[in-house]
Amino acid sequence: GENVEQHPSTLSVQEGDSAVIKCTYSDSASNYFPWYKQELGKGPQLIIDIRSNVGEKKDQRIAVTLNKTAKHFSLHITETQPEDSAVYFCAAPRSGGYQKVTFGTGTKLQVIP
Amino acid sequence: KAGVTQTPRYLIKTRGQQVTLSCSPISGHRSVSWYQQTPGQGLQFLFEYFSETQRNKGNFPGRFSGRQFSNSRSEMNVSTLELGDSALYLCASSLEAGLDEQYFGPGTRLTVT
Repeated sequence: GENVEQHPSTLSVQEGDSAVIKCTYSDSASNYFPWYKQELGKGPQLIIDIRSNVGEKKDQRIAVTLNKTAKHFSLHITETQPEDSAVYFCAAPRSGGYQKVTFGTGTKLQVIP
Repeated sequence: KAGVTQTPRYLIKTRGQQVTLSCSPISGHRSVSWYQQTPGQGLQFLFEYFSETQRNKGNFPGRFSGRQFSNSRSEMNVSTLELGDSALYLCASSLEAGLDEQYFGPGTRLTVT
């Protein structure tokens, strides 16, 4: 089955610095790679996603890069702010006859003011 | 546009009981998926419903079931509750079938005693 590894599990950065979270996946059939942000007491919020025909996508301070050959994708947050503090999850849905989605184990990001 | 709503937000049940959770997707969204989130297992896919039909199912026992109504609202049921069923149950909706571009609700926190 699909295996998604996410690193690091915790990340502390100074406000204004950049943060990078990486995920690797195993299923070649995966073609859609979302990132979610989960704040305390809330459900995950879709913040950015990328499809397998694109190598990079950017939305203001956040960006996602995809390396299909190496089967990994990364979330980049620049100019971090305290409100970026949350748990971030990657996911690798599997398309095809049988669909399922496997989530990474999450990265707790702390932005220190 | 209103987001995904889930009721109830908190629930306490006793072992052996059953529980029904409700989810209303974003207006116009026709696919609803359910997830279980626990500290130990992370986010795990339960099942997906589209047009009142279960399309995909994760690796959960038959005690976990669901259904979807003609207005796309969905319910999930857990019978013969076990202590290990204590978790945050999340519902996510998307426009069409498949697990792309999902938007999560706030979840229902279920505690089994």
